[in-house]
Amino acid sequence: EDQVTQSPEALRLQEGESSSLNCSYTVSGLRGLFWYRQDPGKGPEFLFTLYSAGEEKEKERLKATLTKKESFLHITAPKPEDSATYLCAVWGSGAGSYQLTFGKGTKLSVIP
Amino acid sequence: DVKVTQSSRYLVKRTGEKVFLECVQDMDHENMFWYRQDPGLGLRLIYFSYDVKMKEKGDIPEGYSVSREKKERFSLILESASTNQTSMYLCASSPTGTSYEQYFGPGTRLTVT
Repeated sequence: EDQVTQSPEALRLQEGESSSLNCSYTVSGLRGLFWYRQDPGKGPEFLFTLYSAGEEKEKERLKATLTKKESFLHITAPKPEDSATYLCAVWGSGAGSYQLTFGKGTKLSVIP
Repeated sequence: DVKVTQSSRYLVKRTGEKVFLECVQDMDHENMFWYRQDPGLGLRLIYFSYDVKMKEKGDIPEGYSVSREKKERFSLILESASTNQTSMYLCASSPTGTSYEQYFGPGTRLTVT
């Protein structure tokens, strides 16, 4: 059974204070790892897909990286508008391979 | 841009009512999904459809059914709403193939009283 664990559950940063969110996973044959941003009361917004270890993707102040066991979402010089819950999900090739397995998210708060 | 729309943002229903939640996507995606999201439990898959008139049960299908008569539309039906079905319901769609990222709608906050 695929599993995704995100840490920390919540993170408070001062504006401009860079940090990283962690997504640890176990999966039968990783086909893709996805990062989403979710604002309160809204649906998740797709950010990145990573397919293989060593891959990196960037978007504005966010950079996602992937190893064989975990992914990091690095946030550089965050702003208050980066406050949201960040979700990680994996797509494996095992049983139920039509499903993504989601983590429970990291709630990020950026204080001005 | 991919667009997934859901028929209602907020819905209040009474116990025992039949409830229909509608989802439409405009990107010609083969796959569509219904999730519910609850605090502390994360996203849980209710049903999945990979083609018109095709459906697969997810992790928590009990008390729900689905309908997909057209490629762009996927409906979730609560046959007899109960208070434990109060939740945020999220629809998503994705393409088939090497790219499988799911695109979500804005969600429907359903309250059953």
